[in-house]
Amino acid sequence: QVQLQESGPGLVKPSQTLSLTCTVSGGSISSGSYYWNWIRQPAGKGLEWIGRFYTSGSTDYNPSLKSRVTISVDTSKNQFSLKLNSVTAADTAVYYCAREGAHLNYAMDVWGQGTTVTVSS
Amino acid sequence: DIQMTQSPSSLSASVGDRVTITCRAGQSISSFLNWYQQRPGRAPELLIYAASSFQSGVPSRFSGSGSGTDFTLTITSLQPEDFATYYCQQSYSTPWTFGQGTKVEIK
Repeated sequence: QVQLQESGPGLVKPSQTLSLTCTVSGGSISSGSYYWNWIRQPAGKGLEWIGRFYTSGSTDYNPSLKSRVTISVDTSKNQFSLKLNSVTAADTAVYYCAREGAHLNYAMDVWGQGTTVTVSS
Repeated sequence: DIQMTQSPSSLSASVGDRVTITCRAGQSISSFLNWYQQRPGRAPELLIYAASSFQSGVPSRFSGSGSGTDFTLTITSLQPEDFATYYCQQSYSTPWTFGQGTKVEIK
């Protein structure tokens, strides 16, 4: 059974780069028709899709964040990563990684537990 | 971006009640509509995909319907563990977008 686990600093200073990693266990990140997503949720608010990576190498990003976001994969470590630069307090949120299946009409069926990132000096 | 609008934003219900949550898309999304449940402090969990298909392990009291722009999530006979926030999400075109959520509270 595939599981996802986010990791990274819980505190980032304004204007710096937020870097998070999602480790995939119980299956290969390279197998199957899956996309690997990042989603965030500010405290008490709704879900915002950040972007996704496909094992072919293609990426899709939310236009609202596109200029600041990079999603990449390290297949040797079975991990994928999120980098968000020039962060502000508005980027404070719980960040989730999630697997998306083409066979599920692109629904996200496996989620990490989430990691809280606070942007503050 | 495709805007997703849920109603109501919150509702109070009792154990055993039938609950209906509506999600409307800003344009036709065929059946590319998914429903998630999020309990407090937890990650969202997939309930329904493709508007009406059950994710493995989801109780049969949950059901989804609709196509085009109007969709419904129904919970028959609400159970204590169903008190949570529910989100719809369109997977028709990126950027994926979510509804604002519907919080189901205990009456």
